[in-house]
Amino acid sequence: NAGVTQTPKFQVLKTGQSMTLQCAQDMNHEYMSWYRQDPGMGLRLIHYSVGAGITDQGEVPNGYNVSRSTTEDFPLRLLSAAPSQTSVYFCASSRQTGGGQPQHFGDGTRLSIL
Amino acid sequence: RKEVEQDPGPFNVPEGATVAFNCTYSNSASQSFFWYRQDCRKEPKLLMSVYSSGNEDGRFTAQLNRASQYISLLIRDSKLSDSATYLCVVYTGGGNKLTFGTGTQLKVEL
Repeated sequence: NAGVTQTPKFQVLKTGQSMTLQCAQDMNHEYMSWYRQDPGMGLRLIHYSVGAGITDQGEVPNGYNVSRSTTEDFPLRLLSAAPSQTSVYFCASSRQTGGGQPQHFGDGTRLSIL
Repeated sequence: RKEVEQDPGPFNVPEGATVAFNCTYSNSASQSFFWYRQDCRKEPKLLMSVYSSGNEDGRFTAQLNRASQYISLLIRDSKLSDSATYLCVVYTGGGNKLTFGTGTQLKVEL
């Protein structure tokens, strides 16, 4: 059982480049989300989706886009990479929305912007 | 004031010790509470949910105090393998928005 799969695991970009972080889950979970984790700060929500075709902004959405065309996939796009976006990115999914369901996390993408 | 606050530690304890972490939250409307564990350079994993009546899972006990707005995690008979960062997580409604604390680092030593 794969769970939540993120690719790539590591990436180095130059300022201004764009890229897509991939996230896929095989648990038929409705809810998916993207977080970033920076030293000294808790995980911060970037964007989330409560189901296919529905997305919404989290706490720190600027500079990122998402889409949810299928239940399984929830890619995160960096439009024009900036050094401030250097971080570890985690994708998560849960069975239902609401009620604070336990989250299943992917193993992260470590992104450096030069 | 941060929505969820934790003492960052590190807590350095000998193997076999009992250690407790507290976490405070600012929103009195918070509904659900969790402890996650995160190993170095790994993803967070759910350790346990925290129920109003308190709950236990083996060597781990979680407590919730709504009046004082804090939750706690007690680890008995610490093992080397308990060394990790423990994240306090609070759900306050609005879709599935969770707020994560910055984590408390535990190091269990021989």
